[in-house]
Amino acid sequence: DAKTTQPPSMDCAEGRAANLPCNHSTISGNEYVYWYRQIHSQGPQYIIHGLKNNETNEMASLIITEDRKSSTLILPHATLRDTAVYYCIVRDWGNTPLVFGKGTRLSVIA
Amino acid sequence: DGGITQSPKYLFRKEGQNVTLSCEQNLNHDAMYWYRQDPGQGLRLIYYSQIVNDFQKGDIAEGYSVSREKKESFPLTVTSAQKNPTAFYLCASSPPGQRLNTGELFFGEGSRLTVL
Repeated sequence: DAKTTQPPSMDCAEGRAANLPCNHSTISGNEYVYWYRQIHSQGPQYIIHGLKNNETNEMASLIITEDRKSSTLILPHATLRDTAVYYCIVRDWGNTPLVFGKGTRLSVIA
Repeated sequence: DGGITQSPKYLFRKEGQNVTLSCEQNLNHDAMYWYRQDPGQGLRLIYYSQIVNDFQKGDIAEGYSVSREKKESFPLTVTSAQKNPTAFYLCASSPPGQRLNTGELFFGEGSRLTVL
């Protein structure tokens, strides 16, 4: 079973920041938080990951709470092409298979 | 260009027939994975392989078989024992779990199997 809890759906206005929450209250010390997204009928795409520090790359920012029990993925200026299902996943370092939940379906609205 | 290639993209099969889905990668990744996705659902792990000539069952391995004879290839056979094989199948690979790598998975574009 997935170790994370996400809202099933969210809407965001185009050009605004999209903030996608994720709860992972049972995360262990050696587990990372990964975010992927899946655009309809395509393979999932890696977005970002982190352990305990906040992370930022060209796609998004990841904010992890100090107790690591929850995190937020931030898309700073959402576009219509960001409409997708976003998956929050926790796993330890290495080749442990990712366990996907149902994710959050983000709809960016013009 | 480096990447993962799945074929065929669409496949139709009659009940009782076995079918093999191809997955090839030229990323020099050690680990490869097969996932199944049903409409409106997340991905479920079928099989994975962390090294050549070795593989492990995932959560829903019944009715499926795999082989890993080469690093680059990880084909999935959907057998007639799989009771509900119509689904979207995704193959992925990942580099070794080293500090220099992000540990991310790289996915193919998927194969959509329909049983008639």
